[in-house]
Amino acid sequence: DQQVKQNSPSLSVQEGRISILNCDYTNSMFDYFLWYKKYPAEGPTFLISISSIKDKNEDGRFTVFLNKSAKHLSLHIVPSQPGDSAVYFCAAKTGGGNKLTFGTGTQLKVEL
Amino acid sequence: DVKVTQSSRYLVKRTGEKVFLECVQDMDHENMFWYRQDPGLGLRLIYFSYDVKMKEKGDIPEGYSVSREKKERFSLILESASTNQTSMYLCASSGLPRQGTDTQYFGPGTRLTVL
Repeated sequence: DQQVKQNSPSLSVQEGRISILNCDYTNSMFDYFLWYKKYPAEGPTFLISISSIKDKNEDGRFTVFLNKSAKHLSLHIVPSQPGDSAVYFCAAKTGGGNKLTFGTGTQLKVEL
Repeated sequence: DVKVTQSSRYLVKRTGEKVFLECVQDMDHENMFWYRQDPGLGLRLIYFSYDVKMKEKGDIPEGYSVSREKKERFSLILESASTNQTSMYLCASSGLPRQGTDTQYFGPGTRLTVL
């Protein structure tokens, strides 16, 4: 039972354009969401997060949008750069819990 | 900077062997986690620990055990390795939410191959 889903296994975008990565969840108890970025042969690194009391959080080129009614979040990267090429995982957790539930990941490729 | 280290980057073992994967964090974090990453399945939680000698099962604990004798060290044990345990194993640690440090920080991973 996949509670966090990333339906696009891969995405290809040109340098300078916008990358939009999507994530859907089924558990309505999730109230905190995170995005991690992973390069090959490295562990995931934290990118950006959002609490369910917000619908948008921005950090430089990265913006996360949350639509609670649709149980959907998205990560926007503007402008995309070749160094953004990586696998992106969305993750969710409930309340003050310690456990994260991860999605299956989306491989982003930013082409010159 | 938080540093999470894992004892091996690559490991090759034979079916039936006992395997130890070690993880050490240097940020005095209470929580430590073991995940495995497989293509198309994302990261799945095997076990986690919220204190020394405390552990809880994650989503896929079968075939694994863990040990946390010291706060900074969390070990994953495969009692009798099987080929379906060939995977990338990732360790993570996090502090407590009240400290604002509950983001999980990951080690570089151990690529385990069981022949």
